[in-house]
Amino acid sequence: DAGVIQSPRHEVTEMGQEVTLRCKPISGHDYLFWYRQTMMRGLELLIYFNNNVPIDDSGMPEDRFSAKMPNASFSTLKIQPSEPRDSAVYFCASSRIWAPDGNEQFFGPGTRLTVL
Amino acid sequence: GQNIDQPTEMTATEGAIVQINCTYQTSGFNGLFWYQQHAGEAPTFLSYNVLDGLEEKGRFSSFLSRSKGYSYLLLKELQMKDSASYLCAVRGGQAGTALIFGKGTTLSVSS
Repeated sequence: DAGVIQSPRHEVTEMGQEVTLRCKPISGHDYLFWYRQTMMRGLELLIYFNNNVPIDDSGMPEDRFSAKMPNASFSTLKIQPSEPRDSAVYFCASSRIWAPDGNEQFFGPGTRLTVL
Repeated sequence: GQNIDQPTEMTATEGAIVQINCTYQTSGFNGLFWYQQHAGEAPTFLSYNVLDGLEEKGRFSSFLSRSKGYSYLLLKELQMKDSASYLCAVRGGQAGTALIFGKGTTLSVSS
């Protein structure tokens, strides 16, 4: 069973460019989460979806960030325009509604974004 | 506000026992999780507590006291491969499913 898939694994871009990060959750999972991790701030929740519907986007830093989930097997996180302070590792995670271990979240390998 | 505190760094030697503490203040509580994250990798699930008490899973145990807003992760018979960051996370949020993570404790195990 494939885990959470993210692409690209690494992205280097210049300030002002548009960046799109992609995520495929584990099949059958109902929740999808986008996190950002930096040394300074740790792992922060940006937004999460339940059955493709955004539930809480209060962690999205500003209007430059947007996320979509057009279907149960695909989500994107877009940054437009990108800035150097957006450099971080972006993780996607998914979970089921009902699961033995408290609906544990399964994380993808992450996308390491560097904005020059 | 919401706050999760854990020590930044800890060191220990192979074969020893180490306890990583976590205190939390959150607006909601629907379970506490511990994740392990090796450098350059994704976090992986270790344990879950929703009721007070101790949960044991092999060499790892996790304890929760909801009244004190306190948890710890206990690692026994330490191995070099246990060198990693350990993240404490509380489930709260609007729909009770979002995780709020602490900044993690980096554990270094030496021989």
